[in-house]
Amino acid sequence: GEDVEQSLFLSVREGDSSVINCTYTDSSSTYLYWYKQEPGAGLQLLTYIFSNMDMKQDQRLTVLLNKKDKHLSLRIADTQTGDSAIYFCAEIRGQGGKLIFGQGTELSVKP
Amino acid sequence: GAVVSQHPSRVICKSGTSVKIECRSLDFQATTMFWYRQFPKQSLMLMATSNEGSKATYEQGVEKDKFLINHASLTLSTLTVTSAHPEDSSFYICSARDGSRDRAYNEQFFGPGTRLTVL
Repeated sequence: GEDVEQSLFLSVREGDSSVINCTYTDSSSTYLYWYKQEPGAGLQLLTYIFSNMDMKQDQRLTVLLNKKDKHLSLRIADTQTGDSAIYFCAEIRGQGGKLIFGQGTELSVKP
Repeated sequence: GAVVSQHPSRVICKSGTSVKIECRSLDFQATTMFWYRQFPKQSLMLMATSNEGSKATYEQGVEKDKFLINHASLTLSTLTVTSAHPEDSSFYICSARDGSRDRAYNEQFFGPGTRLTVL
């Protein structure tokens, strides 16, 4: 299909790992992104991965990319209450560099 | 660096009035700016792409006469919602791309958003 898809909700306990999954559609996307949105705010780029990579690690964040299945995941280690937010995956499409976002996954971290 | 501001952050207006939202890149030159709309608990939907000095490119289904976009300088783009109605109530977010940086990963910097409520 045309859509970038994510599960809508994830609830974890503080200190656990969180894994947020995403499937995208455009196999020619050069970059894939994870953004974080806190309530009433804009988007903050968390991390990105180039399409020829399988994995990228950045402190507590690990991104895994399976190009064959067009599947992207974001793992947050040692999740904290401050990680509670909505997480969007996005792919880039076309010459104009449009970002196409998933629906967002609301991460709730319980103490 | 790479800060994008939006003004106003919130606006409430009466049906039929026009509302202008400003998006500014504060410490870089934004060759391209994007306008998104976000409904509660939903994703961002791209409305239009604007390049400095040229007409905006609107996404399918977005009325260009309803949502006027001007990108007159490298640091400012405006979105005017003309003759606003309650169904235009939404969260409008802009983003900007820094054309001068060699950012191969094509990063867009997002503004904090503007909450529009039309009564």
